[in-house]
Amino acid sequence: GENVEQHPSTLSVQEGDSAVIKCTYSDSASNYFPWYKQELGKGPQLIIDIRSNVGEKKDQRIAVTLNKTAKHFSLHITETQPEDSAVYFCAASIGTGTASKLTFGTGTRLQVTL
Amino acid sequence: GAVVSQHPSRVICKSGTSVKIECRSLDFQATTMFWYRQFPKKSLMLMATSNEGSKATYEQGVEKDKFLINHASLTLSTLTVTSAHPEDSSFYICSAGPGSGSADTQYFGPGTRLTVL
Repeated sequence: GENVEQHPSTLSVQEGDSAVIKCTYSDSASNYFPWYKQELGKGPQLIIDIRSNVGEKKDQRIAVTLNKTAKHFSLHITETQPEDSAVYFCAASIGTGTASKLTFGTGTRLQVTL
Repeated sequence: GAVVSQHPSRVICKSGTSVKIECRSLDFQATTMFWYRQFPKKSLMLMATSNEGSKATYEQGVEKDKFLINHASLTLSTLTVTSAHPEDSSFYICSAGPGSGSADTQYFGPGTRLTVL
C-alpha cells in the first residue's frame, strides 16, 4: 500500500520567515495530495490540495509543489505569522472520482516565534 | 469549504459501557465517510470506511465488533465503541467529501475526545 513520509517532524521559524515541509510518497498511482493544518484539540483543516495534472498551486501565502517523477510534494508558507503555528499533515490518495482513502504523513509541528 | 460536525465533542465514560459518536455532513451528501483515530502527538490512523446503505470496510487490525459503524443516511454516520476500556481512550475524527466537483476532497469533523475510566 501507499506510504507517505514527511519531514521535518518539528520546524521553528521566526515570524515573517518562510517555512517548507516536504513529503514523499511510494505509490506512483497516487494522484491527489492534500495538506491539512491541525490545531491542538481540533480536527484537521484542509488548507490546500494539488492533483497530479498540476505542478504547482498557490493560495495567498501558501503554495504546494508536486514532482511526480521524484514522487515528492512540498508545502511552502511565506511571511509566517504566529497563527500559522500548528501541526501540518500531508496526505496522498488514489483518486477514483469519489471519496478515496487518504494515507497521511507523520506530521510536522510548526512553531512561529515572535 | 464543506462542513462536517461531530457529536459529542468530549465524552467520559466508565469501563464496560458503550459510547456512540455521530458524524454529520451539514451542507452536502456523503455516500462515503471515514473514521480515524489519533493518539497524542501522532498522525491519523484510518479505522474504517463507512458506506451509506452497506457494511463498513475496516482496516487491518481494527475489530469490527468493537467499533460498530452505521451509515444510515447520506448525511449521518455513527461510530459506537462497544464495551469501552481505558485503551480505547483516544481522539476520534470523521471525514467526508461532497463526492462531486472536487470528488477527492475530504473535510474533517472537529473530533471527539473519548476518555474511558
